[in-house]
Amino acid sequence: AQSVTQLDSHVSVSEGTPVLLRCNYSSSYSPSLFWYVQHPNKGLQLLLKYTSAATLVKGINGFEAEFKKSETSFHLTKPSAHMSDAAEYFCVVTRGVGSGNTGKLIFGQGTTLQVKP
Amino acid sequence: KAGVTQTPRYLIKTRGQQVTLSCSPISGHRSVSWYQQTPGQGLQFLFEYFSETQRNKGNFPGRFSGRQFSNSRSEMNVSTLELGDSALYLCASSLGLAGPNEQFFGPGTRLTVL
Repeated sequence: AQSVTQLDSHVSVSEGTPVLLRCNYSSSYSPSLFWYVQHPNKGLQLLLKYTSAATLVKGINGFEAEFKKSETSFHLTKPSAHMSDAAEYFCVVTRGVGSGNTGKLIFGQGTTLQVKP
Repeated sequence: KAGVTQTPRYLIKTRGQQVTLSCSPISGHRSVSWYQQTPGQGLQFLFEYFSETQRNKGNFPGRFSGRQFSNSRSEMNVSTLELGDSALYLCASSLGLAGPNEQFFGPGTRLTVL
């Protein structure tokens, strides 16, 4: 079985300060992990993905995440928040390479990021 | 390359009716997955179709069904609508190959059940 826990439902930062969105996962299989972002009234967009290659993954718009197997975590970070980063962020787990087909994504409950001017 | 399209974008139905939603994947993508998004339950997987066959299924009642056509377009159907079926329904397409494929999401269909 697989599950994802996003530790904060809401995070508020000031523009220009670092962003940290926390995600822990549970998986019976070797996992693949993703972060998606959803802006209001828009579809989900992939930020970055971990698929068993480098544990530090760089994504779009300056975001990155580090896969830590010992901590079962996949936290999302950005050095400096921009107003346009305000959105809902979802941590997602699915079966990893060699663990069967992966058409099923398991989503966390989401973290709303607020960026204050 | 055109993205994933979903029609209609908005629907209003009454309890007991049925509804069909449509999803056109990115050209060349053979897998289509469907998700339900609600404020209370978040994003939940409904089912995945690959080459016209259901390959994965979530924990939804049999009122929720789907199909995929030879051109990879997919439809989902909800029969005997309930108030709790009000949600944003998202579809996502991917190449569907072995291993974790990036899924590309459409804008969704907002279903309101009165």
